[in-house]
Amino acid sequence: GNSVTQMEGPVTLSEEAFLTINCTYTATGYPSLFWYVQYPGEGLQLLLKATKADDKGSNKGFEATYRKETTSFHLEKGSVQVSDSAVYFCALGRGSTLGRLYFGRGTQLTVWP
Amino acid sequence: EAQVTQNPRYLITVTGKKLTVTCSQNMNHEYMSWYRQDPGLGLRQIYYSMNVEVTDKGDVPEGYKVSRKEKRNFPLILESPSPNQTSLYFCASSHQGAGQETQYFGPGTRLLVL
Repeated sequence: GNSVTQMEGPVTLSEEAFLTINCTYTATGYPSLFWYVQYPGEGLQLLLKATKADDKGSNKGFEATYRKETTSFHLEKGSVQVSDSAVYFCALGRGSTLGRLYFGRGTQLTVWP
Repeated sequence: EAQVTQNPRYLITVTGKKLTVTCSQNMNHEYMSWYRQDPGLGLRQIYYSMNVEVTDKGDVPEGYKVSRKEKRNFPLILESPSPNQTSLYFCASSHQGAGQETQYFGPGTRLLVL
Protein backbone atom coordinates (compact mmCIF):
# COMPACT_ATOMS: atom_id res chain seq x y z
CA GLY A 1 0.00 0.00 0.00
CA ASN A 2 0.87 3.66 0.18
CA SER A 3 2.47 5.07 3.29
CA VAL A 4 4.86 7.75 4.50
CA THR A 5 7.26 7.55 7.41
CA GLN A 6 8.90 10.67 8.75
CA MET A 7 11.28 11.21 11.60
CA GLU A 8 9.85 11.54 15.07
CA GLY A 9 9.92 14.93 16.68
CA PRO A 10 10.14 17.24 18.28
CA VAL A 11 13.18 18.83 16.69
CA THR A 12 14.70 21.78 18.54
CA LEU A 13 17.36 23.96 16.89
CA SER A 14 19.07 27.26 17.41
CA GLU A 15 18.60 29.99 14.84
CA GLU A 16 20.88 29.58 11.78
CA ALA A 17 21.35 25.85 12.38
CA PHE A 18 21.04 23.30 9.57
CA LEU A 19 17.79 21.38 9.38
CA THR A 20 17.07 17.90 8.06
CA ILE A 21 13.74 16.13 8.50
CA ASN A 22 13.80 12.62 7.09
CA CYS A 23 10.94 11.20 5.05
CA THR A 24 10.67 7.83 3.35
CA TYR A 25 7.75 6.40 1.46
CA THR A 26 6.22 3.16 0.26
CA ALA A 27 4.23 3.20 -2.95
CA THR A 28 3.78 1.37 -6.19
CA GLY A 29 4.56 3.20 -9.37
CA TYR A 30 5.59 6.83 -9.44
CA PRO A 31 3.93 8.97 -6.81
CA SER A 32 4.24 12.71 -6.35
CA LEU A 33 5.82 13.84 -3.08
CA PHE A 34 5.03 16.88 -0.97
CA TRP A 35 6.02 18.77 2.12
CA TYR A 36 3.28 20.70 3.88
CA VAL A 37 3.80 23.10 6.78
CA GLN A 38 1.37 23.92 9.56
CA TYR A 39 2.01 27.10 11.55
CA PRO A 40 0.44 27.38 15.01
CA GLY A 41 -3.33 27.73 14.83
CA GLU A 42 -3.47 27.46 11.05
CA GLY A 43 -4.26 24.94 8.37
CA LEU A 44 -1.68 23.18 6.24
CA GLN A 45 0.11 25.02 3.45
CA LEU A 46 2.02 23.46 0.59
CA LEU A 47 5.74 24.13 1.12
CA LEU A 48 7.19 22.31 -1.88
CA LYS A 49 6.63 19.33 -4.12
CA ALA A 50 8.31 17.04 -6.64
CA THR A 51 6.50 14.97 -9.22
CA LYS A 52 9.20 12.66 -10.59
CA ALA A 53 12.48 11.02 -9.67
CA ASP A 54 15.47 13.36 -9.21
CA ASP A 55 13.24 16.44 -9.15
CA LYS A 56 14.15 18.98 -6.49
CA GLY A 57 11.39 21.01 -4.90
CA SER A 58 12.34 24.28 -3.24
CA ASN A 59 10.64 27.19 -1.51
CA LYS A 60 11.53 29.73 1.20
CA GLY A 61 15.04 28.27 1.52
CA PHE A 62 13.74 24.72 2.01
CA GLU A 63 14.69 21.95 -0.41
CA ALA A 64 13.86 18.29 -0.93
CA THR A 65 14.99 15.90 -3.66
CA TYR A 66 12.87 12.99 -4.87
CA ARG A 67 15.17 9.93 -4.55
CA LYS A 68 13.56 6.89 -6.11
CA GLU A 69 16.50 4.59 -5.33
CA THR A 70 16.19 5.23 -1.59
CA THR A 71 12.43 6.04 -1.65
CA SER A 72 13.15 9.24 0.23
CA PHE A 73 12.21 12.92 0.16
CA HIS A 74 14.17 14.52 3.01
CA LEU A 75 13.51 18.17 3.85
CA GLU A 76 16.54 20.44 4.34
CA LYS A 77 17.25 24.06 5.10
CA GLY A 78 20.68 25.55 5.50
CA SER A 79 19.87 28.19 8.11
CA VAL A 80 16.62 28.07 10.04
CA GLN A 81 14.85 31.06 11.54
CA VAL A 82 12.56 31.42 14.52
CA SER A 83 9.70 31.96 12.05
CA ASP A 84 10.25 28.42 10.70
CA SER A 85 8.88 26.96 13.92
CA ALA A 86 5.94 24.81 12.80
CA VAL A 87 4.83 21.24 12.17
CA TYR A 88 6.07 19.74 8.91
CA PHE A 89 4.24 16.95 7.11
CA CYS A 90 5.59 14.76 4.36
CA ALA A 91 2.91 13.47 1.98
CA LEU A 92 2.54 11.18 -1.00
CA GLY A 93 0.05 11.62 -3.79
CA ARG A 94 -1.15 9.15 -6.36
CA GLY A 95 -2.64 10.45 -9.56
CA SER A 96 -4.69 7.32 -9.92
CA THR A 97 -6.57 8.21 -6.76
CA LEU A 98 -7.43 11.66 -8.03
CA GLY A 99 -5.99 13.97 -5.43
CA ARG A 100 -5.78 11.55 -2.52
CA LEU A 101 -2.86 12.38 -0.20
CA TYR A 102 -1.20 10.07 2.33
CA PHE A 103 0.43 11.95 5.18
CA GLY A 104 3.22 11.18 7.59
CA ARG A 105 2.66 11.84 11.29
CA GLY A 106 4.26 15.26 11.26
CA THR A 107 7.45 16.63 12.83
CA GLN A 108 7.31 19.54 15.25
CA LEU A 109 10.18 21.99 14.70
CA THR A 110 11.03 24.64 17.31
CA VAL A 111 13.74 27.20 16.56
CA TRP A 112 15.18 29.23 19.42
CA PRO A 113 16.77 32.67 18.96
CA GLU B 1 -8.88 35.87 -2.31
CA ALA B 2 -8.70 32.13 -3.04
CA GLN B 3 -9.55 30.26 0.11
CA VAL B 4 -11.20 27.37 1.88
CA THR B 5 -13.40 28.38 4.79
CA GLN B 6 -14.73 26.26 7.62
CA ASN B 7 -17.32 26.97 10.28
CA PRO B 8 -17.33 26.87 13.16
CA ARG B 9 -13.66 27.13 14.10
CA TYR B 10 -14.28 25.84 17.62
CA LEU B 11 -17.12 23.70 18.89
CA ILE B 12 -17.92 22.04 22.19
CA THR B 13 -20.84 19.64 22.19
CA VAL B 14 -22.23 16.64 24.06
CA THR B 15 -22.46 13.01 23.08
CA GLY B 16 -25.29 12.28 20.68
CA LYS B 17 -26.13 15.84 19.64
CA LYS B 18 -26.04 16.05 15.84
CA LEU B 19 -23.72 18.66 14.37
CA THR B 20 -22.55 19.89 11.00
CA VAL B 21 -19.24 21.48 10.12
CA THR B 22 -19.42 23.49 6.93
CA CYS B 23 -16.70 23.80 4.30
CA SER B 24 -16.72 26.12 1.33
CA GLN B 25 -14.17 26.91 -1.39
CA ASN B 26 -14.16 29.71 -3.95
CA MET B 27 -11.65 28.22 -6.41
CA ASN B 28 -14.09 26.12 -8.46
CA HIS B 29 -12.22 22.97 -7.38
CA GLU B 30 -13.68 19.61 -8.28
CA TYR B 31 -12.02 17.63 -5.50
CA MET B 32 -12.80 18.17 -1.81
CA SER B 33 -11.82 16.19 1.22
CA TRP B 34 -12.14 16.01 5.00
CA TYR B 35 -9.28 15.02 7.32
CA ARG B 36 -8.96 14.65 11.02
CA GLN B 37 -5.71 15.40 12.82
CA ASP B 38 -4.85 13.64 16.06
CA PRO B 39 -1.61 13.78 18.08
CA GLY B 40 0.90 11.19 16.90
CA LEU B 41 -1.32 10.07 14.03
CA GLY B 42 -0.92 12.88 11.53
CA LEU B 43 -3.80 13.52 9.15
CA ARG B 44 -6.24 10.78 8.22
CA GLN B 45 -8.79 11.14 5.47
CA ILE B 46 -12.45 10.77 6.45
CA TYR B 47 -14.33 11.27 3.16
CA TYR B 48 -13.62 12.78 -0.20
CA SER B 49 -15.59 13.98 -3.17
CA MET B 50 -14.45 14.07 -6.79
CA ASN B 51 -17.33 16.25 -7.93
CA VAL B 52 -20.95 17.14 -7.27
CA GLU B 53 -22.93 14.13 -6.03
CA VAL B 54 -19.78 11.93 -6.07
CA THR B 55 -18.42 11.00 -2.65
CA ASP B 56 -16.44 8.10 -1.23
CA LYS B 57 -14.97 6.87 2.03
CA GLY B 58 -11.45 7.59 3.14
CA ASP B 59 -9.55 5.77 5.85
CA VAL B 60 -11.72 6.62 8.88
CA PRO B 61 -15.34 7.21 7.72
CA GLU B 62 -17.15 5.58 10.65
CA GLY B 63 -19.46 7.98 12.47
CA TYR B 64 -19.38 10.63 9.72
CA LYS B 65 -21.52 11.59 6.74
CA VAL B 66 -20.92 14.03 3.92
CA SER B 67 -22.84 15.49 1.01
CA ARG B 68 -21.84 17.37 -2.13
CA LYS B 69 -24.90 19.07 -3.57
CA GLU B 70 -23.00 22.09 -4.84
CA LYS B 71 -19.48 22.29 -6.16
CA ARG B 72 -18.29 24.84 -3.62
CA ASN B 73 -19.67 23.21 -0.43
CA PHE B 74 -18.78 19.96 1.31
CA PRO B 75 -20.31 19.75 4.81
CA LEU B 76 -19.23 17.13 7.35
CA ILE B 77 -22.07 15.71 9.44
CA LEU B 78 -21.76 13.91 12.75
CA GLU B 79 -25.16 12.34 13.35
CA SER B 80 -24.39 11.15 16.88
CA PRO B 81 -21.02 12.46 18.04
CA SER B 82 -18.97 10.48 20.52
CA PRO B 83 -15.94 11.49 22.60
CA ASN B 84 -13.57 9.60 20.27
CA GLN B 85 -14.49 12.13 17.58
CA THR B 86 -12.84 14.88 19.58
CA SER B 87 -10.24 16.09 17.11
CA LEU B 88 -9.02 18.84 14.82
CA TYR B 89 -10.77 18.69 11.44
CA PHE B 90 -9.54 20.07 8.15
CA CYS B 91 -11.31 20.52 4.86
CA ALA B 92 -9.23 20.64 1.67
CA SER B 93 -9.84 21.16 -2.03
CA SER B 94 -7.95 20.81 -5.29
CA HIS B 95 -8.39 20.80 -9.04
CA GLN B 96 -8.60 17.65 -11.09
CA GLY B 97 -5.98 17.33 -13.79
CA ALA B 98 -2.53 18.88 -13.78
CA GLY B 99 -1.50 19.92 -10.28
CA GLN B 100 -4.47 18.04 -8.87
CA GLU B 101 -2.59 16.85 -5.84
CA THR B 102 -1.79 20.32 -4.57
CA GLN B 103 -4.48 20.63 -1.98
CA TYR B 104 -5.60 23.84 -0.30
CA PHE B 105 -6.56 23.53 3.33
CA GLY B 106 -9.05 25.36 5.47
CA PRO B 107 -8.04 26.79 8.86
CA GLY B 108 -9.40 23.84 10.83
CA THR B 109 -12.28 23.17 13.23
CA ARG B 110 -11.43 22.09 16.74
CA LEU B 111 -14.18 19.83 18.11
CA LEU B 112 -14.62 18.67 21.69
CA VAL B 113 -17.29 16.05 22.41
CA LEU B 114 -18.13 15.66 26.09
